[in-house]
Amino acid sequence: KNEVEQSPQNLTAQEGEFITINCSYSVGISALHWLQQHPGGGIVSLFMLSSGKKKHGRLIATINIQEKHSSLHITASHPRDSAVYICAVRSSSGGGADGLTFGKGTHLIIQP
Amino acid sequence: GAVVSQHPSWVICKSGTSVKIECRSLDFQATTMFWYRQFPKQSLMLMATSNEGSKATYEQGVEKDKFLINHASLTLSTLTVTSAHPEDSSFYICSAGRLAEYNEQFFGPGTRLTVL
Repeated sequence: KNEVEQSPQNLTAQEGEFITINCSYSVGISALHWLQQHPGGGIVSLFMLSSGKKKHGRLIATINIQEKHSSLHITASHPRDSAVYICAVRSSSGGGADGLTFGKGTHLIIQP
Repeated sequence: GAVVSQHPSWVICKSGTSVKIECRSLDFQATTMFWYRQFPKQSLMLMATSNEGSKATYEQGVEKDKFLINHASLTLSTLTVTSAHPEDSSFYICSAGRLAEYNEQFFGPGTRLTVL
């Protein structure tokens, strides 16, 4: 079973700061997801990665397959970025479509 | 992007009753749907994987007779919580995947269930 660890668990920063959230996992994966969950509970998929780097607006996600590590970066952070950010992985050992294993999330607060 | 809806968004019911939650993929055909549960301040946990036209695969510790899953079409999966108890109160989220792109999952907005 894949273990997914995120750090930090909680992060409070000032508006404009550069934010980094880390995710590490224990066994090989076929895909890694970064998700955003707002207080109401709804989940938005930010990125799906299997290698390299992806960028969307102020968000950047990277993954290092050899080191079993991924990072999510937020540039020029804004209070509306306040949310829980969740890392989730799909293990490569499964066949077909398998459910994800989730980290516990990073609770981010951006103060104005 | 692909859209997944859930209905209802929240429900309150009495202990012992059954509750049905629907998950629909609105603009694509979902060969596989996943049901997750999230207790307060905890991470999401996979409950079951549902493939269209076949029986759902349940994760260890999830009672298949209590959490009935039906995936009768490529756009609809339902989760029925039977004989609900207060400990079933949770946030239930579905996600849907496409066969050709099964690595990508699209999440529904979730259903908050409160059992009194």
